[in-house]
Amino acid sequence: EAGVAQSPRYKIIEKRQSVAFWCNPISGHATLYWYQQILGQGPKLLIQFQNNGVVDDSQLPKDRFSAERLKGVDSTLKIQPAKLEDSAVYLCASSLALGRYYGYTFGSGTRLTVV
Amino acid sequence: RKEVEQDPGPFNVPEGATVAFNCTYSNSASQSFFWYRQDCRKEPKLLMSVYSSGNEDGRFTAQLNRASQYISLLIRDSKLSDSATYLCVVINAGGTSYGKLTFGQGTILTVHP
Repeated sequence: EAGVAQSPRYKIIEKRQSVAFWCNPISGHATLYWYQQILGQGPKLLIQFQNNGVVDDSQLPKDRFSAERLKGVDSTLKIQPAKLEDSAVYLCASSLALGRYYGYTFGSGTRLTVV
Repeated sequence: RKEVEQDPGPFNVPEGATVAFNCTYSNSASQSFFWYRQDCRKEPKLLMSVYSSGNEDGRFTAQLNRASQYISLLIRDSKLSDSATYLCVVINAGGTSYGKLTFGQGTILTVHP
């Protein structure tokens, strides 16, 4: 079974620039999550999708972050404009369904450095 | 107060040692509990679920105390390969957001020869 694919693996941008991350979940997984992990901290949920609908985006800084999952499969997370404090690893995870814990599979993440 | 709190460590132990990690959670409605392991520059991976009755997987033992809102992980006979960050994870009850993992900040373990 193919895992969760993320790209790019690394990205370095200057503050105020924009950046986009891509995630392809495991085939058939309806639920997709984006987490932000700042160095020395645990991952923090940014947004949760069920198919192409948003279930929870309460911790997404909506003034600069946006995410979509138009066809209920791939997802993109965008930051515009980036700030220094956005430097982190952005992890995508997918799960079979909502309603209970079906187990997560995480992608290997995108490491963002804002300079 | 953070929803899930862990002692960040680091814990430095010799091979063969027994080490224990603790975690507390603030939401009494929390329903499911896990320990995840994260290697340096890698993604988190499920280590084990935590049940009220306590559960064991080889050298690893996890326990849950709902009354005290406390979770623990015990590693016996530590190996060099156990060096990693151990993340305490909680799922709260609640509708369509069930399944959302809330992570502690992680406890760093280094096992040395």
